[in-house]
Amino acid sequence: GDSVTQTEGPVTVSESESLIINCTYSATSIAYPNLFWYVRYPGEGLQLLLKVITAGQKGSSRGFEATYNKETTSFHLQKASVQESDSAVYYCALGDLVGDNSKLIWGLGTSLVVNP
Amino acid sequence: AQTIHQWPVAEIKAVGSPLSLGCTIKGKSSPNLYWYWQATGGTLQQLFYSITVGQVESVVQLNLSASRPKDDQFILSTEKLLLSHSGFYLCAWSPGGYAEQFFGPGTRLTVL
Repeated sequence: GDSVTQTEGPVTVSESESLIINCTYSATSIAYPNLFWYVRYPGEGLQLLLKVITAGQKGSSRGFEATYNKETTSFHLQKASVQESDSAVYYCALGDLVGDNSKLIWGLGTSLVVNP
Repeated sequence: AQTIHQWPVAEIKAVGSPLSLGCTIKGKSSPNLYWYWQATGGTLQQLFYSITVGQVESVVQLNLSASRPKDDQFILSTEKLLLSHSGFYLCAWSPGGYAEQFFGPGTRLTVL
């Protein structure tokens, strides 16, 4: 079936350190998967962080990057130097269009704690 | 810019009592609308979606129902709450033809 697996949290890093949150997916019933990272900052709603709809392409936003790797079925989230304000819960999601309807399959979320 | 509003922000309800949660989107005509549920520590699970006014499709059966009485409004309800209904309810919208969805702030429901 279709599923998303991501790094189990909490992940704790110090400010200015690098970060990678792993995300792998299985898209057995999706012909053209779209991949997303969403983020929920403390006290805020779920926001789209970045998206990539074409295999081999890279998405970036707020210093975060993720590359859609079809060969390894991965979409890892990376940042070279994290800040305390990056503390949040990050969700990897696999997307499909079924007719005109959007269908998202979610990972469990990874809580990131950045220490000053 | 589009804005999505959910109400109430939080609810504490008794088992067996009725529930109605609402969602309104402004700044976008004919959006696709979605209801999600997230148990504590769990993943987001899509419950319902609606492509047009008056039409709602169920994705997961959780003894809940949904309705879309207006183009910009989506309602989630039940006549009798269960303990298992506790969690976080999110409303989302997407433009037709795109997979990404945009979320409201959510409603925290506690059933006692």
